[in-house]
Amino acid sequence: EPEVTQTPSHQVTQMGQEVILRCVPISNHLYFYWYRQILGQKVEFLVSFYNNEISEKSEIFDDQFSVERPDGSNFTLKIRSTKLEDSAMYFCASSESTGGMDGYTFGSGTRLTVV
Amino acid sequence: AQSVTQLGSHVSVSEGALVLLRCNYSSSVPPYLFWYVQYPNQGLQLLLKYTTGATLVKGINGFEAEFKKSETSFHLTKPSAHMSDAAEYFCAVRLYNQGGKLIFGQGTELSVKP
Repeated sequence: EPEVTQTPSHQVTQMGQEVILRCVPISNHLYFYWYRQILGQKVEFLVSFYNNEISEKSEIFDDQFSVERPDGSNFTLKIRSTKLEDSAMYFCASSESTGGMDGYTFGSGTRLTVV
Repeated sequence: AQSVTQLGSHVSVSEGALVLLRCNYSSSVPPYLFWYVQYPNQGLQLLLKYTTGATLVKGINGFEAEFKKSETSFHLTKPSAHMSDAAEYFCAVRLYNQGGKLIFGQGTELSVKP
């Protein structure tokens, strides 16, 4: 069963530091997403990415956030200057089509703790 | 605003009892509908999905869900709960012409008592 792989599984960082969360989507998938889940809250959409550009982003995804597909396999989420409220579980997902008729495959997540 | 509502943040059932987790959505056009399960310290695993066609869909681990357009609902059921079903369950929708993003409900934590 193909998987979406996320690294690291846990990251602790100091407020104001930059973090990069990494994801390896399923190889034949073309659409990529980041979601986050603050502890005790619902999973929220951050951004979608297709053909090397952002397709859609939420209001959460402000100038502190960026995404990149640097080498055709990895898909990264960068937070430039972390804040305490960025502490959350971050999930990467990928899909073969934009409509998700095949479903969206999620990674196991990266738990980011900002101290 | 389009939304997904899961009734009940915690549901507790006895082993062998019926599981019913409720999900309602607000959309004028039927969306694509998904149920995901999250076990402790793990990611989101797709249980089942409805896109088109038959409104009763079967998923993994004996779960099924029925899309009812008139009720804007997509409730998840399992005839007989097993201890291993204890997890967090999320209903999600992908709205028509809203790109590929999923909108999630707030989740329902299912506990199974022996």
